[in-house]
Amino acid sequence: SQKIEQNSEALNIQEGKTATLTCNYTNYSPAYLQWYRQDPGRGPVFLLLIRENEKEKRKERLKVTFDTTLKQSLFHITASQPADSATYLCALGRGGGSQGNLIFGKGTKLSVKP
Amino acid sequence: GAGVSQTPSNKVTEKGKYVELRCDPISGHTALYWYRQSLGQGPEFLIYFQGTGAADDSGLPNDRFFAVRPEGSVSTLKIQRTERGDSAVYLCASSRGSGNDNEQFFGPGTRLTVL
Repeated sequence: SQKIEQNSEALNIQEGKTATLTCNYTNYSPAYLQWYRQDPGRGPVFLLLIRENEKEKRKERLKVTFDTTLKQSLFHITASQPADSATYLCALGRGGGSQGNLIFGKGTKLSVKP
Repeated sequence: GAGVSQTPSNKVTEKGKYVELRCDPISGHTALYWYRQSLGQGPEFLIYFQGTGAADDSGLPNDRFFAVRPEGSVSTLKIQRTERGDSAVYLCASSRGSGNDNEQFFGPGTRLTVL
């Protein structure tokens, strides 16, 4: 069956360091991958999308990579700040006839300590 | 402009009762999605509308769950004969287009508790 794993349930880092979150998938060939941020009691907020033919995408302090051979995406936050503390979700989409059907991982809860 | 809104924010009901959850998408967004999120889990896809029609309802767990979007805007998720296992946060999202690589804008969710 299709499976998406985010490397850890929780990640604690010091302010100013780079946070690296991992999303691995099996039995799946996604057309693209999205990363979302979720704060307690709120819905997820879109951060970045990367397509299967793209290796890397950047947005301000965020960087996402997508390796379809390893079936893995890495999400980096550089110069992390306490305000970056949240749960980060990866989501895969097949494209084509499965429009709209995003499959989410469980998320990784990031805590950035001052 | 306003984001996606969902009502009620909290709903407590008894086992066996019927509930309706409402979603108001962002104006002009043609696609609307329902997800369910249990504690410690990521959102689980339920159903997706393109306009008024359900384009993909493969995530609905059983026939107690039903959703409508009669005018292509507001959507209602209906759950019959609720069970304790239905307790979760029900999230609604909308997006501009029909392509599934569109950014999805989520509402705050409705927390459903079935006693």
